[in-house]
Amino acid sequence: AQRVTQPEKLLSVFKGAPVELKCNYSYSGSPELFWYVQYSRQRLQLLLRHISRESIKGFTADLNKGETSFHLKKPFAQEEDSAMYYCALSGRGYQKVTFGTGTKLQVIP
Amino acid sequence: DAGVIQSPRHEVTEMGQEVTLRCKPISGHNSLFWYRQTMMRGLELLIYFNNNVPIDDSGMPEDRFSAKMPNASFSTLKIQPSEPRDSAVYFCASSLGARGLAGMGNEQFFGPGTRLTVL
Repeated sequence: AQRVTQPEKLLSVFKGAPVELKCNYSYSGSPELFWYVQYSRQRLQLLLRHISRESIKGFTADLNKGETSFHLKKPFAQEEDSAMYYCALSGRGYQKVTFGTGTKLQVIP
Repeated sequence: DAGVIQSPRHEVTEMGQEVTLRCKPISGHNSLFWYRQTMMRGLELLIYFNNNVPIDDSGMPEDRFSAKMPNASFSTLKIQPSEPRDSAVYFCASSLGARGLAGMGNEQFFGPGTRLTVL
């Protein structure tokens, strides 16, 4: 079974402060990990995926297989980062994606 | 490209009534997913289709829920009879990818969602 855990429902940080959204997963095979974001009144959309090893909008996420984690980080939060963030997992080569319960990020001006 | 299209955007109905949600995936995508979003449980996969065939419906809550994909450009999610606990936002998503291709990292494209309220 595959499972994604996001322990925080709400994370509030001040503008300019570092951000870390936590994500832990459980999967017996080779996972593919994603972060999706939903801005207010917009569609849920892909933010980044671990296989791309890219930084999007200043966000990065490193897959730590030892700790089974895929935390999302940004050194300096911006107000426009306020949104709902979902961590997601799929088996490599498979299309079924399991989402976490989401973390609402609130950046305080 | 309008992306994934869902209708209606909002639905208010009374308990016991039949509800039908509709989805048009992005042209050329071969997989379609139905999700339910609630505050308590987040985003839950209900069912997904590959090439119009249901692959995994283990997330469908109970027999009151059914989904069909008669062709590559249309899918429905039906709830009959509806209950207040079905109130949620229902999302449809589509993706392009083939099962078994390692490293595809299939991105899912979401529709705007249908907000269902069952009174």
